[in-house]
Order: sequence, then structure tokens, then C-alpha cells
Amino acid sequence: AQTIHQWPVAEIKAVGSPLSLGCTIKGKSSPNLYWYWQATGGTLQQLFYSITVGQVESVVQLNLSASRPKDDQFILSTEKLLLSHSGFYLCAWSLLGDEQYFGPGTRLTVL
Amino acid sequence: AQKVTQTQTSISVMEKTTVTMDCVYETQDSSYFLFWYKQTASGEIVFLIRQDSYKKENATVGHYSLNFQKPKSSIGLIITATQIEDSAVYFCAMREGRSYAQGLTFGLGTRVSVFP
Repeated sequence: AQTIHQWPVAEIKAVGSPLSLGCTIKGKSSPNLYWYWQATGGTLQQLFYSITVGQVESVVQLNLSASRPKDDQFILSTEKLLLSHSGFYLCAWSLLGDEQYFGPGTRLTVL
Repeated sequence: AQKVTQTQTSISVMEKTTVTMDCVYETQDSSYFLFWYKQTASGEIVFLIRQDSYKKENATVGHYSLNFQKPKSSIGLIITATQIEDSAVYFCAMREGRSYAQGLTFGLGTRVSVFP
């Protein structure tokens, strides 16, 4: 069975500090991977997607970047956090065009 | 550009009754895919059911079913025999057929509260 793990579970960071969030999918080969962001009480906004190792497409520019160093790993990062980066970050996977399955998410608070 | 609209902010229902949620979408594609997700209080997002635009039959999974009205660009979610644990925020989402690798566009969500 496939599993999706995100780390860390939660982060409290200072404005201007760097950030790295991770996502690992086990049990699926060559999945499409996605990053979403959700403001408190808001909807999900897609940030990035990747269909293969080393290739990442940006959907929304939020001073964030993403990388896919391995087939089963997706990383979200920034060198300088903004207050507006606070929220809930979710990683998701899918096979071809099927429905997406979400990880447990990382709650980020920027102070 | 694709757009998904959920106009109902919240709905309250009694346990064991039926709840219906509305969702209207916009797309220029002739092929598209519609999804419903549930977000629990812990933040977990769970896939519930999907409807492919080329299918005429309404999808049904367990006590979830869809009311797909293609001419109205509408995809309603129906939950029958509701239970307390159905209390959650329900999101409607869409993906256009030509962008299979891309992600989903979500509506703003409808909060459902089920009371005993």
C-alpha cells in the first residue's frame, strides 16, 4: 500500500529565515507530485507540480521553490520567509490523470 | 481559465438525514474531471468521489453520490444517512483534460455540521 509522509508536522519560523519542507511517497512508482498551500480557513492553492525526477513546474509565484531530487521525494523551500507564507502546506500524488491523494500536511507559522 | 464555485458557506443537518452541496464550474475544455474532497478537523484531506465529463451516469461511492448536470456546469454532492463523523469541510475540485499533469482547482469549500 502506498503511504505519503510529510515533514515536519509543524514549524514556527521567523520572518527572513529559510525553510525546507519535505514529502515522501512510498509504494508508487513515478507518481505525479504536487504542492498545495492553504491559508487558515481558506481553499487549496496549487503551487508546484512534477511529473518526473528533476522537473518541476511552478503554478503560482509565492517566493517559494520546489525540487524533486528523487522519484519519491518532493521538497518545498525558500531562503527568506514572509509573513504571508504562514498556512498549511500539503503534498499530493496521483498516477497519470487520476484523483490526487494528499499527505497529512505541515502547519507553518511565520512570526 | 478554469473556475470552481461553491456558494454555500455552511450547512447544518440532523444525523441520519440527507445533505446536498452545490458546485458550479467553468472550463473551456470539452473534457474535464470533477472531484469532491473532505477535510476533517485535523486537516486531513480525503478523496471521496469523481465524475468524468464524458460519463452520463452519476457516480456513486458508498453513501456519497453526485448530481452531474452538464448543461448547467453543475456537480452536486449528496450524502445520505449522514453520521456525526461526516462533519467536515467539503471541497469541489476540477482538472481540465488537456492538463492531466497539472493539479486541481478547488472551490472555497462548504462546512457541514451534523448534529445528533
